[in-house]
Amino acid sequence: DAGVIQSPRHEVTEMGQEVTLRCKPISGHDYLFWYRQTMMRGLELLIYFNNNVPIDDSGMPEDRFSAKMPNASFSTLKIQPSEPRDSAVYFCASSFGQGYGYTFGSGTRLTVV
Amino acid sequence: GQQLNQSPQSMFIQEGEDVSMNCTSSSIFNTWLWYKQDPGEGPVLLIALYKAGELTSNGRLTAQFGITRKDSFLNISASIPSDVGIYFCAGISNSGYALNFGKGTSLLVTP
Repeated sequence: DAGVIQSPRHEVTEMGQEVTLRCKPISGHDYLFWYRQTMMRGLELLIYFNNNVPIDDSGMPEDRFSAKMPNASFSTLKIQPSEPRDSAVYFCASSFGQGYGYTFGSGTRLTVV
Repeated sequence: GQQLNQSPQSMFIQEGEDVSMNCTSSSIFNTWLWYKQDPGEGPVLLIALYKAGELTSNGRLTAQFGITRKDSFLNISASIPSDVGIYFCAGISNSGYALNFGKGTSLLVTP
């Protein structure tokens, strides 16, 4: 299996622009998670899905952030409009079942200037 | 999410030394996991613990799920340079459904 695939690996954008991060989970996994990693706050859970349905989005910082999972093999995290404080590494992870070890993607490093 | 307190924040050791790091929580956890993150990559699962008191090994790594269900430790024996990275504890509380992560322990190993 190719693992969790995230794209792009790096994204540099100007403040105010829309940013879309993409994730392809491992086939057969029924949970998908979006995390954000910064030096100050560590790894923070933003949102997670079960069978393509959003279960908990309480970690989404504000309305500028939105996430979708139109099917079992694809999810997006969108930031509109982006701000410099959104600069971070965004990880997608998937798992089979709840409470088991997640498999993480390699992350998208977002820089908003 | 639940707060996990991980210590130490960083360690600088010589090759061959043993390493110990731990994680505590104010809440009871049902699952404890230990991950390692290399630069530019996502965290990779090292060990998973699902039962209080459980002691599990993976090569030179050993981890335990504390009896109180509020703590866990990870030991690395005979460290080698490729052990360098950031180690994270993670857990799921009995009131939650997703992993909460500690702030990580940065490990540096000198040859």
